[in-house]
Amino acid sequence: EVQLVASGGGLVQPGGSLRLSCAASGFIFTDHYMDWVRQAPGRGLEWVGRCRNKDASYTTEYAPSVRGRFIISRDDSKKSLFLEMNSLNTEDTAIYYCTRALPSTDWGQGTLVIVSS
Amino acid sequence: DIQMTQYPSSVSGSVGDRVTITCRASQGINNWLAWYQQKPGRAPRLLIYATSNLQSGVSSRFSGSGSGTEFTLTISSLQPEDFATYFCQQASSFPFTFGQGTRVDIK
Repeated sequence: EVQLVASGGGLVQPGGSLRLSCAASGFIFTDHYMDWVRQAPGRGLEWVGRCRNKDASYTTEYAPSVRGRFIISRDDSKKSLFLEMNSLNTEDTAIYYCTRALPSTDWGQGTLVIVSS
Repeated sequence: DIQMTQYPSSVSGSVGDRVTITCRASQGINNWLAWYQQKPGRAPRLLIYATSNLQSGVSSRFSGSGSGTEFTLTISSLQPEDFATYFCQQASSFPFTFGQGTRVDIK
């Protein structure tokens, strides 16, 4: 069974930083590109970015709204995906989901990030 | 960026009704269109990928069609478990983008 367990969310002040993690199991992590998707409370879905696998040199893609502030990385030895978020603002408040590359059947439960003073 | 315009934003239906949701892309997306269902407090669930391919385990009352810039999701006969919000998503080019969502609720 595929499992994607996101963690690291919480309350952070505007301008602050936070690092999210996603622990993967139940599939060959190294075979897959991985994405982050977020959803502001009561709002729609927004793709955040992608981290490709080793075969694709771990290259990344980002949504314009986060490019230059967020960094996606992975540690294949730990089967983990990361999202480092900097210069956070209130518009970054959302549930953050990790997924296998979209379109995906496999989504984690999400972790809630609240940016507020 | 490719904009995805989804409509209607909400639709009310009764059990047994046929429901159609439309997604229009701001440019051609080579049929790289997926549909998701989301229920409150849950992660999205993939229903359809590449416009018309039914994800394994998804009921055949869901179907997808379209080409170019116009795509539809059809629920042939609404069931109680289908009351949810539905999103389209293009995977043709980065940044991937979603439609605004369509809430299907009980009439």
